[in-house]
Amino acid sequence: EPEVTQTPSHQVTQMGQEVILRCVPISNHLYFYWYRQILGQKVEFLVSFYNNEISEKSEIFDDQFSVERPDGSNFTLKIRSTKLEDSAMYFCASSEWTVYEQYFGPGTRLTVT
Amino acid sequence: AQTVTQSQPEMSVQEAETVTLSCTYDTSENNYYLFWYKQPPSRQMILVIRQEAYKQQNATENRFSVNFQKAAKSFSLKISDSQLGDTAMYFCAFMKLRNSGNTPLVFGKGTRLSVIA
Repeated sequence: EPEVTQTPSHQVTQMGQEVILRCVPISNHLYFYWYRQILGQKVEFLVSFYNNEISEKSEIFDDQFSVERPDGSNFTLKIRSTKLEDSAMYFCASSEWTVYEQYFGPGTRLTVT
Repeated sequence: AQTVTQSQPEMSVQEAETVTLSCTYDTSENNYYLFWYKQPPSRQMILVIRQEAYKQQNATENRFSVNFQKAAKSFSLKISDSQLGDTAMYFCAFMKLRNSGNTPLVFGKGTRLSVIA
């Protein structure tokens, strides 16, 4: 069964450093999402992406964040200058146009020290 | 804005018994989907079940079923014949529908379910 994959599974970085989180969505899916979950809290939407552009973003998704689909398979989330409060689990998800389930990847745990 | 409330932070159930997890939501939308996601210790989010708001019939998936009360804005999950592998965090989620396509999921805070042998 096709699945969303994410790399790395765990990333440790120092405050102020740039990080790139990578996702490979399910191949025939057209909508892509990033969510984050701070430890012990609920899952929060960051951004959605369709047709090579951002379709929606939350208040959390400020200028420090950017997304890109550099090729036909990868979908990346970049944090330019990480802060301690960026420490969280970051989930990538994808969905088809006509089917509304979002399928999640296993997540990347980001630890900012 | 939509909100999703899960009033039970933690629950436990004996193996083979039935448990019901509560979820209420607030929206002015008429067309939407509701979902239950499971997050086991591995942290991966797994879709358990979905319900289209326009359908009156409650969704079922094997041992999992929902009680969808649209007027009350309630969407509970019933797990029958609980198994140890059901131990996980369960999130209720809301998605509004619009003609332009998918919209983000809005999650509740989750209910941690422990199945006890």
